[in-house]
Amino acid sequence: SQQGEEDPQALSIQEGENATMNCSYKTSINNLQWYRQNSGRGLVHLILIRSNEREKHSGRLRVTLDTSKKSSSLLITASRAADTASYFCATDAPRNTPLVFGKGTRLSVIA
Amino acid sequence: NAGVTQTPKFQVLKTGQSMTLQCAQDMNHEYMSWYRQDPGMGLRLIHYSVGAGITDQGEVPNGYNVSRSTTEDFPLRLLSAAPSQTSVYFCASSYREFNYGYTFGSGTRLTVV
Repeated sequence: SQQGEEDPQALSIQEGENATMNCSYKTSINNLQWYRQNSGRGLVHLILIRSNEREKHSGRLRVTLDTSKKSSSLLITASRAADTASYFCATDAPRNTPLVFGKGTRLSVIA
Repeated sequence: NAGVTQTPKFQVLKTGQSMTLQCAQDMNHEYMSWYRQDPGMGLRLIHYSVGAGITDQGEVPNGYNVSRSTTEDFPLRLLSAAPSQTSVYFCASSYREFNYGYTFGSGTRLTVV
């Protein structure tokens, strides 16, 4: 069963614009992670935010976490064509069990 | 480091055939998982392992077996392939507990006809 749900399902923007993707989840978490998947490739870990953190940055990525709303957002600033990919959020289930992934947001960045 | 290596990259099976998808990692990760990815379904967990000799079922384990005899290898066996098992299969590993970032393999695209 899906724990995380990304929104929107698909997003198309112009190069240089910012892209925002959201993730909602259902149960308490210890951490939330974001992954990128280029077409036909494996997922790549982008960033992990723990439940006691509210915001985290990595390069052009900014992730926020609101545990009271059970939601997270991923912001990619100054997007590039190379950012075109699917983005997934994943949450930890009970301790020592694997991550549960959402269905992803497909981002298209048009040059 | 090679990371997580999956073989084969592509495979076509006939209904009823069996095969093993290989997964190997060279990072000394204790935690390994198998996921399948289908259009519109995201990633669904098949089986996972928290260390050599220890495996457990995920969300969609039926029709699949796993074993973990070494830290490095985590093969996934399809017992009797069915068209419903047509999918892209990903192996992932993690250092220590699962709530660290995962390293994914490049996937195996399986078609069952």
